[in-house]
Amino acid sequence: GDSVTQMEGPVTLSEEAFLTINCTYTATGYPSLFWYVQYPGEGLQLLLKATKADDKGSNKGFEATYRKETTSFHLEKGSVQVSDSAVYFCALNDFNKFYFGSGTKLNVKP
Amino acid sequence: GAGVSQTPSNKVTEKGKYVELRCDPISGHTALYWYRQSLGQGPEFLIYFQGTGAADDSGLPNDRFFAVRPEGSVSTLKIQRTERGDSAVYLCASSFGGQGASPLHFGNGTRLTVT
Repeated sequence: GDSVTQMEGPVTLSEEAFLTINCTYTATGYPSLFWYVQYPGEGLQLLLKATKADDKGSNKGFEATYRKETTSFHLEKGSVQVSDSAVYFCALNDFNKFYFGSGTKLNVKP
Repeated sequence: GAGVSQTPSNKVTEKGKYVELRCDPISGHTALYWYRQSLGQGPEFLIYFQGTGAADDSGLPNDRFFAVRPEGSVSTLKIQRTERGDSAVYLCASSFGGQGASPLHFGNGTRLTVT
């Protein structure tokens, strides 16, 4: 069946460091891929998405590229800020059913 | 505009009691989803509605769980004979549906505690 695997956290970085959070997936169809973010005390929010192979989603300085050959959708940001501290979830939509990874907590220190 | 609204935000109940959790989706969204999230885990799929009908209820853990969406808008998740293992945050989300690229928009969830 479909599933999403993402790197375990927590990930702790200093401000302005480079961020990568790995995400790989298994799907029976041709899924759309998403990253969601959950800030402390808030609900899940869409961060970015990509709908087909080689698409790049981007938002707020974050990027992720849909890699069909490696079934991956790694999240990257060139320079993180303290305000990026949150839990990040990778997700896929296959036949209108969404599957989520277990989340990666990011802590950014000043 | 208004987002997905879930009520109550917190619910504490005794083991064996019945509870109802309500979700009011974004206006115009035809698809509505229920998820359950335990501490430190990602959202776990429960059920998905397209319009009034349950298109996929394969995630409901057992027959104590039931959900309805009678008019294609508001949905209620119903849990009978609650157990301590049902304690979790129950998330509702809606989308335009019918398109793989249409993202989910989540409510803030209902935190259910079964004592």
